Amino acid sequence: KAGVTQTPRYLIKTRGQQVTLSCSPISGHRSVSWYQQTPGQGLQFLFEYFSETQRNKGNFPGRFSGRQFSNSRSEMNVSTLELGDSALYLCASSLSPGLTEGYTFGSGTRLTVV
Amino acid sequence: KQEVTQIPAALSVPEGENLVLNCSFTDSAIYNLQWFRQDPGKGLTSLLLIQSSQREQTSGRLNASLDKSSGRSTLYIAASQPGDSATYLCAVGGSEKLVFGKGTKLTVNP
Repeated sequence: KAGVTQTPRYLIKTRGQQVTLSCSPISGHRSVSWYQQTPGQGLQFLFEYFSETQRNKGNFPGRFSGRQFSNSRSEMNVSTLELGDSALYLCASSLSPGLTEGYTFGSGTRLTVV
Repeated sequence: KQEVTQIPAALSVPEGENLVLNCSFTDSAIYNLQWFRQDPGKGLTSLLLIQSSQREQTSGRLNASLDKSSGRSTLYIAASQPGDSATYLCAVGGSEKLVFGKGTKLTVNP
């Protein structure tokens, strides 16, 4: 079966711009989580969506937002980009919230802000 | 607040050696623990998932143990191979999210 698909794989944006990243979960999975990975901070939780509702949100500024569609696909948006937003953004899907079945991660979107 | 620590941060071993990677966490009220592998510039590949009620899980040359009471998990890799070179991440799951350690970068030398 198809895995978690993230698009695009790479992005280069200028400070002040906004960006939208997309994540298609494994078929049948209804929970989608987003994580930011940087060399200094490691992997940090951004937010989780289940059945089109945001369940949890990490400690990130309001410039980071997301949504989930009825087909479980999710998007995250970052507005007014800063240099510090350069990171690998990873999406994970699971059947339902929590770790009962574990999470499956996508290959990520590498965002570079210049 | 859950904190996850992985020791060592980096490890270099000769091919064929058996090795142990360590993960410790501060809050024992976890749902489960998952070990991942990450190759440079890539996403995360799940290796093993241990439910909170379990003590260990095995997959091929990998064995992971969980001791909730002491807040520890270990990942044992038998007969290491150069293809095992990667960063290994431990993630603890609570009711809301995964909390990751910073990882152990493993290099297996031919």
